Amino acid sequence: QVRLQEAGPGLVKPSQTLSLTCTVSGAPITSGDYYWSWIRQPAGKGLEWIGRIYLSGTTHYSRSLKSRVTISLHPSKNQFSLNLTSVTAADTAVYYCARRSAVSGRYFDLWGRGTLVTVSS
Amino acid sequence: QSVLTQPPSLSGAPGQTVTISCTGSSTNFGGPYEVHWYQQHPGTAPKLLIYDDTKRPSGVPDRFSGSKSGTSASLAITGLRPEDEADYYCQSYDSSLSGVVFGGGTKLTVL
Repeated sequence: QVRLQEAGPGLVKPSQTLSLTCTVSGAPITSGDYYWSWIRQPAGKGLEWIGRIYLSGTTHYSRSLKSRVTISLHPSKNQFSLNLTSVTAADTAVYYCARRSAVSGRYFDLWGRGTLVTVSS
Repeated sequence: QSVLTQPPSLSGAPGQTVTISCTGSSTNFGGPYEVHWYQQHPGTAPKLLIYDDTKRPSGVPDRFSGSKSGTSASLAITGLRPEDEADYYCQSYDSSLSGVVFGGGTKLTVL
């Protein structure tokens, strides 16, 4: 059974960099059949797509976050990561990693449980 | 404001049928892209409910169905149950934004 698990600091200071990792268990992240994505959700609000990465290292980011986001792949650890720079209180949210098929539709069929990141001094 | 428009809330009694709407445009599922639906209970991750407009993943009851016509999509839930009380989100890809987009979500209350 494939599972995704987010990890990282729960508290980040304003202007610093938010860094999270997503560990994939039960399947190799290098399968090539999937895109690996990050999605976030501020408390009480809707979902916002952040971006995704493919096996080749190709990335695609949300236009609104593109200047501050980097998603990287770490095959040796079966992980992928998110870096979001210059954070503000508006970046406080639950951050989810998710899997999207690279061979069929643009939907997310598997999600991590999410991790809450609070931006505060 | 979300690119995909959903009603903020809906309610229904057990056993009833409710329909959640999602309005898009020609640059997302009104064009060449599909619409997908997710269910999210409080404190949990979203769960894929309907994909590619009308398809159900394995394990999703057939009480849940999706449809699409032009720039409108709907999620119907028949035989409403207390456990259906959750937030529901539609999702697509938008070519003008060059990215994945979600609806603002609909909170379904089972009376």
